[in-house]
Amino acid sequence: NAGVTQTPKFQVLKTGQSMTLQCAQDMNHNSMYWYRQDPGMGLRLIYYSASEGTTDKGEVPNGYNVSRLNKREFSLRLESAAPSQTSVYFCASSYHGELFFGEGSRLTVL
Amino acid sequence: DQQVKQNSPSLSVQEGRISILNCDYTNSMFDYFLWYKKYPAEGPTFLISISSIKDKNEDGRFTVFLNKSAKHLSLHIVPSQPGDSAVYFCAASLTEGYQGGSEKLVFGKGTKLTVNP
Repeated sequence: NAGVTQTPKFQVLKTGQSMTLQCAQDMNHNSMYWYRQDPGMGLRLIYYSASEGTTDKGEVPNGYNVSRLNKREFSLRLESAAPSQTSVYFCASSYHGELFFGEGSRLTVL
Repeated sequence: DQQVKQNSPSLSVQEGRISILNCDYTNSMFDYFLWYKKYPAEGPTFLISISSIKDKNEDGRFTVFLNKSAKHLSLHIVPSQPGDSAVYFCAASLTEGYQGGSEKLVFGKGTKLTVNP
């Protein structure tokens, strides 16, 4: 049972570098999400996608772009990484009000 | 402006006793509430939910209570076990924000529960 799979699990970047976090779900869910979790801040929504071909900004979208490649995959891109983007990133998909999360990707920007 | 507040960053209880985790919200339009549990180095997992038309929902050792007039919900764990030690997130959903099947949840900051043997 794969559920929601994120890659990579860990990444260290230098300021200004770019990278893409990949996410795939095998539950045939329409909606997918990217959250970030920071100490003392809980989970904050970056972007979400209600269905294939649509994406919308969440609470903290600045500095990020997303692509809903198909129903299964939803990627998050950092074009020019900044230290403020050091965080743990969670991808999720949803069904009937319940979110299913991946294991997280820990990103450090030096 | 926090719409979902968990004012206790941490809670410590003895094994076998009751754990009570609290959550307050400000938006009276929220109509669905969830609790998620998160272990270190893992993604959050769904624990229990409650609709705004109910005031209580029970699932084994876990019970969620909703007080709409006070805009307050709580999660009770009885009896608490060491394996319950985790961070618990309260979340709320706004049905009117429902866009083409997208359920946007607003999360609290979390409460770290430690159950001591």
